[in-house]
Amino acid sequence: EAGVAQSPRYKIIEKRQSVAFWCNPISGHATLYWYQQILGQGPKLLIQFQNNGVVDDSQLPKDRFSAERLKGVDSTLKIQPAKLEDSAVYLCASSRNSGAYEQYFGPGTRLTVT
Amino acid sequence: QQPVQSPQAVILREGEDAVINCSSSKALYSVHWYRQKHGEAPIFLMILLKGGEQKGHDKISASFNEKKQQSSLYLTASQLSYSGTYFCGTGTGNQFYFGTGTSLTVIP
Repeated sequence: EAGVAQSPRYKIIEKRQSVAFWCNPISGHATLYWYQQILGQGPKLLIQFQNNGVVDDSQLPKDRFSAERLKGVDSTLKIQPAKLEDSAVYLCASSRNSGAYEQYFGPGTRLTVT
Repeated sequence: QQPVQSPQAVILREGEDAVINCSSSKALYSVHWYRQKHGEAPIFLMILLKGGEQKGHDKISASFNEKKQQSSLYLTASQLSYSGTYFCGTGTGNQFYFGTGTSLTVIP
């Protein structure tokens, strides 16, 4: 079974530029998560999708971050414009369903904003 | 709302045991445990559900006290491969929060 795929693996941009990350979850997984992990901290949930609907986006900075999961499969997370404090690893995870199911994580995208 | 873990860091010799605690200020539906090695993604260890159901690996055990909103992860006869940062994750309604993390180092 193929794991969660993410791209790119690394990205360096200047502040005020925009960037997009892509995630393809494990086939058949209804729930998809985007996390932000700043160095030395635990992952922070940005947004959770159930199929193509948003379950929770309470910690997503909506003035600059957006995400979509069209057709309930792969997803993109966008930052526009980026700030220095957005430097982090962005992790995508998927699970068979929400709540009582283990999450499988992709390798992450390391974003550096200069 | 982020669960608090203790200890923050622990160093063990191979074969020793460790307990990692996770405490939440909110009523919990589920507690997840993950391990993350440096530069890698978190890997699932265990889920504990309200009502006592558990899902996870055979060599790892954990407890979930619903009333106290706490969970503990028990690592016995530690191996070098157990080194990493351990995170609990708590499910509250539709929201999910990872804990503050516990760094575990196992030395020969």
